[in-house]
Amino acid sequence: DQQVKQNSPSLSVQEGRISILNCDYTNSMFDYFLWYKKYPAEGPTFLISISSIKDKNEDGRFTVFLNKSAKHLSLHIVPSQPGDSAVYFCAASVGYGGSQGNLIFGKGTKLSVKP
Amino acid sequence: DGGITQSPKYLFRKEGQNVTLSCEQNLNHDAMYWYRQDPGQGLRLIYYSQIVNDFQKGDIAEGYSVSREKKESFPLTVTSAQKNPTAFYLCASSMMGGGYEQYFGPGTRLTVT
Repeated sequence: DQQVKQNSPSLSVQEGRISILNCDYTNSMFDYFLWYKKYPAEGPTFLISISSIKDKNEDGRFTVFLNKSAKHLSLHIVPSQPGDSAVYFCAASVGYGGSQGNLIFGKGTKLSVKP
Repeated sequence: DGGITQSPKYLFRKEGQNVTLSCEQNLNHDAMYWYRQDPGQGLRLIYYSQIVNDFQKGDIAEGYSVSREKKESFPLTVTSAQKNPTAFYLCASSMMGGGYEQYFGPGTRLTVT
């Protein structure tokens, strides 16, 4: 059973607009969440993270929101740029900094930003 | 430059042959991981190691083997027992096991015919 779900396989937005990528999880023990960005034939690169004690974390154009009661997080990219076109993976873990578990990844959402 | 290297970028093998994928890191990370990516499947964990001379099976370990003789190196062997070996393989490392951010290498595309 998938513990981390990204239900939208793809998303297309216009340059300059907001991109919103969603992620749902089922394991209430998850307390640390990360977003990765991946270009074709390359390794994923870490983008932004959030711990369960927060509901928002911002880094430049990227903001991650966490709704623990709904077991839902989202990544907002504002404004979207063509270079943001990539696959975005949501990941979660139990016990940040500990040895309680590894990262569990969603299947990814392919974002296309059109000029 | 600190980072993770995987070689080669592309690898071709005949069915029935074992093949070893290289992964080296100079980040002084304790933990290392191997993932497999298939289209539409996301990243699936094959093996991970939190310390030298110790490693654990991930979700899809069957048909794979690993070793961790040095902190910097975590090679993955794809054996002939792996039924669907053609995939994109990613190695990662992190400061410790668990939820620390993992840093990924560029990946190896393995094609078995």
